[in-house]
Amino acid sequence: QVQLVQSGSEVKRPGASVKVSCKASGYTFTTCGISWVRQAPGQGLEWMGWISGHTDTTNFAQRFQGKVTLTRDPSTNTVYMDLRSLTSDDTAVYFCARDCGGYAILDHWGQGTLVTASS
Amino acid sequence: DIQMTQSPSSLSASVGDRVTISCRASHAITTSLNWYQHKTGKAPKLLIYGASTLQTGVPPRFSGSGYGTDFTLTISSLQPEDFGTYYCQQSYSTPRTFGQGTKVEVK
Repeated sequence: QVQLVQSGSEVKRPGASVKVSCKASGYTFTTCGISWVRQAPGQGLEWMGWISGHTDTTNFAQRFQGKVTLTRDPSTNTVYMDLRSLTSDDTAVYFCARDCGGYAILDHWGQGTLVTASS
Repeated sequence: DIQMTQSPSSLSASVGDRVTISCRASHAITTSLNWYQHKTGKAPKLLIYGASTLQTGVPPRFSGSGYGTDFTLTISSLQPEDFGTYYCQQSYSTPRTFGQGTKVEVK
């Protein structure tokens, strides 16, 4: 069955960077991309960006351009989200989700990773 | 960016009730509209895609309709496990914006 397993919670100082991983299994990694969605405390879901499953093509919401880098490692079926210059506003649960064809139909999700930016 | 507006922001209904949640897009998005259910501490779950197609494994009491700018998610007979927050999301253009959510409480 399709599974997306994310790395564990992180606590970082403001100004630091964090890298969250999302390991896929149960399907052919290169056939589907991965989107990233976050939920800040008490807030709704916010789409951040997407990376293709078979190329390094990415697409971001404007507010995350320059803030987020998405990379992929087909040898380990893993996608990475690098979030830099953390502020308290970046404290959130970050989800990866499978996004086949780039249509943003997010049919399988990771369990979420809590990132806390705090001094 | 396309803005998605849901109503109501919250509702409380009894088991067996018919529940309707609305979602309006700021620009026409044809049928590029998906619905998710999210329970606290869990991953969101895809319910409906393409405005009206039921995701595999989702109970048929869930249904979706709409085209253009106005969409509806209906739960025909609310069940105790249907509590949570429901989100619409447009997949017509980037950024793939979500509505603000509708919190459903089962009395």
